[in-house]
Amino acid sequence: GNSVTQMEGPVTLSEEAFLTINCTYTATGYPSLFWYVQYPGEGLQLLLKATKADDKGSNKGFEATYRKETTSFHLEKGSVQVSDSAVYFCALDFGNEKLTFGTGTRLTIIP
Amino acid sequence: DTEVTQTPKHLVMGMTNKKSLKCEQHMGHRAMYWYKQKAKKPPELMFVYSYEKLSINESVPSRFSPECPNSSLLNLHLHALQPEDSALYLCASSQVTANPNYGYTFGSGTRLTVV
Repeated sequence: GNSVTQMEGPVTLSEEAFLTINCTYTATGYPSLFWYVQYPGEGLQLLLKATKADDKGSNKGFEATYRKETTSFHLEKGSVQVSDSAVYFCALDFGNEKLTFGTGTRLTIIP
Repeated sequence: DTEVTQTPKHLVMGMTNKKSLKCEQHMGHRAMYWYKQKAKKPPELMFVYSYEKLSINESVPSRFSPECPNSSLLNLHLHALQPEDSALYLCASSQVTANPNYGYTFGSGTRLTVV
């Protein structure tokens, strides 16, 4: 079946540090890939997405590139801020109304 | 309007109570979803409605009863819940299409506590 594996958290970084959250997937075929962010006490917000190989999704300084050869979609940001503290979920979708989530990575940024 | 609105934001109910969660969207999305999220876990899919018809039921206990009265509204009726049903309940909506380019829009959730 389809699955998403994210790096274990929690991740704690200092402000302005470089961020990488690893995400790999297992799927039959070529899904669309997403990163969702969940701030404390809130629902999920779509952060970025990529729908085919080599696409790069980007938003709010975050980037992720769809790598078919390594089945990966790692999230990166060059300089994190305290306001980026949240839980980040990698997810995949084949357009069949079944979004498959990773386990989530809790990120804490220290001033 | 690009939001999914959920009410109430918080709900405390006894195990013998009957209550309902409500979800509304005005983006013209014809697929709507209920997810359950326990603490420090990813959301788990419960139900999917496509064109107001139930298309996916992930073997959810019958004490949870979904309803889609029209294309903008989705309800989740709750009856005889257990304490382990305490969780954040998320509603989402999306276009109905085999092309997943559009993604899903989530509401802020209802935090349910069963006592």
